[in-house]
Amino acid sequence: EVQLVESGGGLVQPGGSLRLACAASAFIVSDGYMSWVRQAPGKGLEWVSVIYPTGDTYYADSVKGRFTISRDNFKNTLYLQMNSLKAEDTAVYYCARDSAGVAAPEYWGQGTLVTVSS
Amino acid sequence: QSALTQPPSASGSPGQSVTISCTGTHNDVGSYNYVSWYQQHPGKAPRLMIYEVNKRPSGVPDRFSGSKSGNTASLTVSGLQAEDEADYYCSSFAGVNNLAVFGGGTKLTVL
Repeated sequence: EVQLVESGGGLVQPGGSLRLACAASAFIVSDGYMSWVRQAPGKGLEWVSVIYPTGDTYYADSVKGRFTISRDNFKNTLYLQMNSLKAEDTAVYYCARDSAGVAAPEYWGQGTLVTVSS
Repeated sequence: QSALTQPPSASGSPGQSVTISCTGTHNDVGSYNYVSWYQQHPGKAPRLMIYEVNKRPSGVPDRFSGSKSGNTASLTVSGLQAEDEADYYCSSFAGVNNLAVFGGGTKLTVL
């Protein structure tokens, strides 16, 4: 059974850093289009970043230059390094897998909450 | 990236049909057949219901269907059931930054 399990969320001060992890099982992370999608409390969904099977990475303008998506093929884990965090980055962060690269992830993790506050 | 436009709410009685619209531009919905729809119950992760405009993943009831005309995509839920009450989000590949964009979401109420 395909599973995605996020971890690493928590409370961090503005300007701080956090690294989220997404452990995958029953499939190979590097074979799919892996995304991070976030949802601020009571708000809608927002694409944050995607990494292609080729290793190419893309980011939303709101996080470009501050966030870095990566993967560890040996650990079969996806990461999101978040630096210079702002209050508006507060959200539940989901990792998701799109097998076919059609911008439609069919598998999602349960999400991890990131709160940026002093 | 600009969000797609969805009505904030929609409703219908059990057994009825309801259609939710999703309006974008020629830069996203109008240019790509990579429109998808997600269902999200409170406190849960999104669930893919429709991809590539009108395709259903395995396990999604055929009561759910999708279509597109020009810059507007639509999700139709036929034979409404109580468990269909949820938030629904559309998404479209937008080309910019090779990311997709979401709509603001529609809260579907089953009366």
